Amino acid sequence: ETGVTQTPRHLVMGMTNKKSLKCEQHLGHNAMYWYKQSAKKPLELMFVYSLEERVENNSVPSRFSPECPNSSHLFLHLHTLQPEDSALYLCASSQGAYRGEQYFGPGTRLTVT
Amino acid sequence: GESVGLHLPTLSVQEGDNSIINCAYSNSASDYFIWYKQESGKGPQFIIDIRSNMDKRQGQRVTVLLNKTVKHLSLQIAATQPGDSAVYFCAERDTNAGKSTFGDGTTLTVKP
Repeated sequence: ETGVTQTPRHLVMGMTNKKSLKCEQHLGHNAMYWYKQSAKKPLELMFVYSLEERVENNSVPSRFSPECPNSSHLFLHLHTLQPEDSALYLCASSQGAYRGEQYFGPGTRLTVT
Repeated sequence: GESVGLHLPTLSVQEGDNSIINCAYSNSASDYFIWYKQESGKGPQFIIDIRSNMDKRQGQRVTVLLNKTVKHLSLQIAATQPGDSAVYFCAERDTNAGKSTFGDGTTLTVKP
């Protein structure tokens, strides 16, 4: 247990669906992150939130929409995804943005059909 | 483009031996480096980090070495144990450019 939980753990959705991924951290951290991990590709940083403000958006398509309502919750809203968006989506948190000592959740395995 | 890569995709060692996992990076402006461990079915786990003003940092059973001249990073694990079996990947951060890049990963297998 890392103190970061993600739900759901697995998600299958069609290209026309709308779904949301949820992340919650119980560590009192003030920074949260979304990552994408595709098979046989390096980890990709998608979004960074610090003190509930988005501080980094790495050219992520608009079909991915993050939301950070408070310092312990982070959402990733998904709509009209493509099959190539199928991947493991990881959430992480840290005390202070961009610290390497991040605590990762177990991820949501997303399959887009 | 810039990349952070590991020299070997797989590494197999005997239990009790020392392991060395390598990573090459190409962005000379990177000033912060991190090693992560990822076990099957789990998210990555922070192991150790190092800033560019250092060339060596030690943790518990792990040592990270940074050679900025050749843009090379290594992770040394002493007395490797079966629980060390995982994928290890490095990451670099160029603080000024606000850019983070992750390596491909090396799968470490520890034989009993």
